[in-house]
Amino acid sequence: QKEVEQNSGPLSVPEGAIASLNCTYSDRGSQSFFWYRQYSGKSPELIMSIYSNGDKEDGRFTAQLNKASQYVSLLIRDSQPSDSATYLCAVYDSWGKFQFGAGTQVVVTP
Amino acid sequence: DVKVTQSSRYLVKRTGEKVFLECVQDMDHENMFWYRQDPGLGLRLIYFSYDVKMKEKGDIPEGYSVSREKKERFSLILESASTNQTSMYLCASSLGTPRRSYEQYFGPGTRLTVT
Repeated sequence: QKEVEQNSGPLSVPEGAIASLNCTYSDRGSQSFFWYRQYSGKSPELIMSIYSNGDKEDGRFTAQLNKASQYVSLLIRDSQPSDSATYLCAVYDSWGKFQFGAGTQVVVTP
Repeated sequence: DVKVTQSSRYLVKRTGEKVFLECVQDMDHENMFWYRQDPGLGLRLIYFSYDVKMKEKGDIPEGYSVSREKKERFSLILESASTNQTSMYLCASSLGTPRRSYEQYFGPGTRLTVT
């Protein structure tokens, strides 16, 4: 079992709709959770970090964390073609290691 | 803004050559990391450092070494490059201690091709 699991996609989303990305993790003692966006051929760019249960909003992005169920999600509202990218979930686990998921590809269609 | 820079965006080397990849960050971060990213395999940690002259092996350290003589600079060394080391190499840095790390910020990456 991988430490951090994401659906690989592609997730096709109409422009203006909400994109919903999910991530599950195996280490119950994990402390910190991050979402990165990666355009093709570019390096990952941090878009959200979340440390406690609940929702955290930043512009069109909302991260949701549920430690009891061991999942973290990312919502992208009013999706734009520029949101087309691969989104990586990252978890800082109880062993002091960053674990990255394989990423979910999002395609926003006009 | 955090800035992480890498010495080259593209690099072509021959098998057997010694290769140096350099990474510099300007935010006084304690932690620095080297990853490689390959299609279908995701990000894999090669080495990380939580202080000057300190280093820890990651998941795939074989064939690599690192050097951190100054806080802002972390170098990855391929002692004898091989074709299976053709990859995208990503450097990252973060605030933290040996037991706690915060957001990682990535450099632009170096696409290395070994022929």
